[in-house]
Amino acid sequence: QQQVKQSPQSLIVQKGGISIINCAYENTAFDYFPWYQQFPGKGPALLIAIRPDVSEKKEGRFTISFNKSAKQFSLHIMDSQPGDSATYFCAATPSYNTDKLIFGTGTRLQVFP
Amino acid sequence: DAGITQSPRYKITETGRQVTLMCHQTWSHSYMFWYRQDLGHGLRLIYYSAAADITDKGEVPDGYVVSRSKTENFPLTLESATRSQTSVYFCASSESGAYGYTFGSGTRLTVV
Repeated sequence: QQQVKQSPQSLIVQKGGISIINCAYENTAFDYFPWYQQFPGKGPALLIAIRPDVSEKKEGRFTISFNKSAKQFSLHIMDSQPGDSATYFCAATPSYNTDKLIFGTGTRLQVFP
Repeated sequence: DAGITQSPRYKITETGRQVTLMCHQTWSHSYMFWYRQDLGHGLRLIYYSAAADITDKGEVPDGYVVSRSKTENFPLTLESATRSQTSVYFCASSESGAYGYTFGSGTRLTVV
């Protein structure tokens, strides 16, 4: 049972545009919400993370927005660049077990010049 | 070299064979994890370990065995490989549970 739902599955954005990836969680209380970026042939790497006591976190062109009441969180990539083309995973840590992460299904982002 | 390394990088095996995927980290991180990545399913946790000699099941443990006799190593064994275990396998480690995984480069396993 997938507890973290991610959409869209794939996304095509023009260079300079805004990329938005959405995630929603259900059934469980979660404590920590990271996003991972994966380039082809590589392992995922931590990009940015947020805790539920804040509604937004920004690092450079990357922003996480968190809506606790709706159980949703999203990644915004401003001024998207071809180098941002990668697969992005949202994830969450259940409050009952902070040893592990539950990942979403991934979004393949392609940014065209 | 410091980091987390997985071996082999690619592996083809036959149905029914036993195969072991290796994972080694040099940071002395307490936590280690095995995930499999499949299109449409994302990353699913197979097993994880909070310390040497302590292991726990994840979401999809059936058909897999792990051990952790040393902090730095966390091998994953498929006791009798099936075609449904064809996947890309990622090992990860962290100092403190879910907070800040570092992933290896993965092992692409094909079961024929």
